[in-house]
Amino acid sequence: GAGVSQSPSNKVTEKGKDVELRCDPISGHTALYWYRQSLGQGLEFLIYFQGNSAPDKSGLPSDRFSAERTGGSVSTLTIQRTQQEDSAVYLCASSLPAGTHNEKLFFGSGTQLSVL
Amino acid sequence: GDSVTQMEGPVTLSEEAFLTINCTYTATGYPSLFWYVQYPGEGLQLLLKATKADDKGSNKGFEATYRKETTSFHLEKGSVQVSDSAVYFCALSDQLGSSASKIIFGSGTRLSIRP
Repeated sequence: GAGVSQSPSNKVTEKGKDVELRCDPISGHTALYWYRQSLGQGLEFLIYFQGNSAPDKSGLPSDRFSAERTGGSVSTLTIQRTQQEDSAVYLCASSLPAGTHNEKLFFGSGTQLSVL
Repeated sequence: GDSVTQMEGPVTLSEEAFLTINCTYTATGYPSLFWYVQYPGEGLQLLLKATKADDKGSNKGFEATYRKETTSFHLEKGSVQVSDSAVYFCALSDQLGSSASKIIFGSGTRLSIRP
């Protein structure tokens, strides 16, 4: 497709289970971002990739959260031992190489995660 | 660290009113500044941007000027329409180096326009 694709669009899980969220960026976009949007809240930065490396992981809320990107394309965000406070919309965005003053982010539709 | 602060909503205006949504930032370097918009049921999309001091970004009748002296990037529109109802996010690009940037968003301001 032409846009950023995220799957699943909705995920309901039980507390304590692990979940894996997937993001497929726009072809050719080397920068990839994960954000979290809680109900009524703004966008919380989680992690950013330039190619396959993550220069800044400071936004990950705890060691239960991890992310990887392989082949400079698809990224997965994994949340282990989910808690109710993890419930939110997880947004992925991609952009052309940074540092070119062209940091326009293209967002996916998000994954709505509900932890029961 | 770098941060973005924007006025809390919700903001409710009548159609054709003048709009200002305040945004100020804290940054150690020379960030690029952005306004993103999220219309009901849609994903976030870039509204406008400015990459250096005194630059003015504009789109769809909205404007924002990069003010380095006041570290601000306020969003303005002279005459709002019902279709402008959305959540608006101010953001900055944290230039970590020549090849990387982290984009930080404010908390968002919900705007509702009455017919």
